[in-house]
Amino acid sequence: DAGVIQSPRHEVTEMGQEVTLRCKPISGHNSLFWYRQTMMRGLELLIYFNNNVPIDDSGMPEDRFSAKMPNASFSTLKIQPSEPRDSAVYFCASSQDIRQPQHFGDGTRLSIL
Amino acid sequence: TQLLEQSPQFLSIQEGENLTVYCNSSSVFSSLQWYRQEPGEGPVLLVTVVTGGEVKKLKRLTFQFGDARKDSSLHITAAQPGDTGLYLCAGARSNYQLIWGAGTKLIIKP
Repeated sequence: DAGVIQSPRHEVTEMGQEVTLRCKPISGHNSLFWYRQTMMRGLELLIYFNNNVPIDDSGMPEDRFSAKMPNASFSTLKIQPSEPRDSAVYFCASSQDIRQPQHFGDGTRLSIL
Repeated sequence: TQLLEQSPQFLSIQEGENLTVYCNSSSVFSSLQWYRQEPGEGPVLLVTVVTGGEVKKLKRLTFQFGDARKDSSLHITAAQPGDTGLYLCAGARSNYQLIWGAGTKLIIKP
């Protein structure tokens, strides 16, 4: 079975550029989560969706960050404009519902120069 | 504010030794999950404990949930190099949202 698929795996770009991260959750899962992981702050929840609707975006650091889930099989996390402090590994995870364990993708390692 | 404290943050031991990782909070959780993360990959669920005092075993790994459902421990017996990784605990609140610990980086030397 295919797991959570994230793309790209690595992204290196200059500050000020727009960055779009993509996620395909496991089919049949109705909860989707975006996380950011850094050495300093560990794993932080940015936003989560239930049935394609954003439920809690309190972890989104600034207005530069936005996330969408246009359908059950696709979500994006966009940073515009990007800054060096956004450098981190961004994970997408999905679960059958909010009460079930989360399945993580392999992450996108983002470097903003 | 770290609501879920993991200790130690880092542990490096020899193959064959035993170890315990702790996950502590002042909050009560409806359940607690343990994940292992290897370099370049996302966290993978190891176990979920739900009942206060519950003990679950996964081969050489023993997980315990505190009686008050505020803390948990992971004990590894006869550690092997394949156990190397970042171990994360995550507590579920009443609304099922997860609170994550900062992780314990474990290195098992052959």
